Amino acid sequence: GENVEQHPSTLSVQEGDSAVIKCTYSDSASNYFPWYKQELGKRPQLIIDIRSNVGEKKDQRIAVTLNKTAKHFSLHITETQPEDSAVYFCAASKVGNRDDKIIFGKGTRLHILP
Amino acid sequence: DAGITQSPRYKITETGRQVTLMCHQTWSHSYMFWYRQDLGHGLRLIYYSAAADITDKGEVPDGYVVSRSKTENFPLTLESATRSQTSVYFCASRQYSGAYEQYFGPGTRLTVT
Repeated sequence: GENVEQHPSTLSVQEGDSAVIKCTYSDSASNYFPWYKQELGKRPQLIIDIRSNVGEKKDQRIAVTLNKTAKHFSLHITETQPEDSAVYFCAASKVGNRDDKIIFGKGTRLHILP
Repeated sequence: DAGITQSPRYKITETGRQVTLMCHQTWSHSYMFWYRQDLGHGLRLIYYSAAADITDKGEVPDGYVVSRSKTENFPLTLESATRSQTSVYFCASRQYSGAYEQYFGPGTRLTVT
């Protein structure tokens, strides 16, 4: 089955700097890669996603890149702010396939330092 | 987000007891999922369901049972709770295969003593 590896497990960056979180996946049939943000004590919420026919997607300060050949994708947060402190999860899925389920990485705890 | 609810939100039970966690969604989403969240393990899929009366195992199904007799409900039962099942459990739903965004419920914190 699909396996998603995520690095680093913890990341501390100075406010205003950029943060990068990297993930790899094992199943070449995966075609959908969402990123979820989870604040302390709350449920995970989708912040951005990318489909396999796209190499990069941007939404304000957040961007995601996908390299299908290498089977890895990354989340980039620029001009980090205190409210970016949270746990971030990458995930992979085979949308449209009978085995259509989202498998998550283990998460990255992002600390924004004042 | 108010469309998917879980109950109870907190539960303490003893080893060996049967426990059922409820999940209800008002969107008529076809797909429903159960995850458990543990420190260092992220979100691990327990079971999922593509439609009423269709369920499949996820990554960590042992010790759990699910059913889906109605589209809107997806209960998760721990037949004989163990301490290793102490965790936060999240239910999630998605509209249908081909729809992308998955919505999570608020979670149930379960402690097995």
